[in-house]
Amino acid sequence: EAQVTQNPRYLITVTGKKLTVTCSQNMNHEYMSWYRQDPGLGLRQIYYSMNVEVTDKGDVPEGYKVSRKEKRNFPLILESPSPNQTSLYFCASSSGGWGGNTIYFGEGSWLTVV
Amino acid sequence: AQTVTQSQPEMSVQEAETVTLSCTYDTSESNYYLFWYKQPPSRQMILVIRQEAYKQQNATENRFSVNFQKAAKSFSLKISDSQLGDTAMYFCAFMRIQGAQKLVFGQGTRLTINP
Repeated sequence: EAQVTQNPRYLITVTGKKLTVTCSQNMNHEYMSWYRQDPGLGLRQIYYSMNVEVTDKGDVPEGYKVSRKEKRNFPLILESPSPNQTSLYFCASSSGGWGGNTIYFGEGSWLTVV
Repeated sequence: AQTVTQSQPEMSVQEAETVTLSCTYDTSESNYYLFWYKQPPSRQMILVIRQEAYKQQNATENRFSVNFQKAAKSFSLKISDSQLGDTAMYFCAFMRIQGAQKLVFGQGTRLTINP
């Protein structure tokens, strides 16, 4: 079954404590992205990756890091989380270099920073 | 940069009625994709329908259809014979043909279907 798996699904953490949200896909997709969802703002892209070792900033990259050392994994790293990073996070993946292919989303990770 | 606007934060209709959700977008691209995604209370992102800008024919998927007006940069979603299971947040989204496969989302419309 085609899947994008995110962990953890729910997390409450404290300001400044580094955390990593993992994302893994089993479809051998080249493209992977991270989005955050906030009320009234929809989803906004944080970072994306077009292949292994190829990553670039999306619209809201401040406070986040990513890496793509393996094709299947694309972790999102919050080095020093702050309360304004409290949000619902989605990982997404797709194949190919054009928009016609299906984009698969993970189930989302709720992150609360206190 | 592309922008997507959904001007209806919330809508509510009775079961079996038809409802139309509005979406406008701004882009200088001539070819692109437009999407409607459904997000039920589980927060899962579910693709409802997709429209290629180079196709004049409006996309349809069972009870879901779009009214794509390229010159007006409008992309509305019509849900016919609405069902309780259609209750969800709906997002309109834009994607360029080439590049990073980046979806640009609207703010969302919360749709409630009442029994």
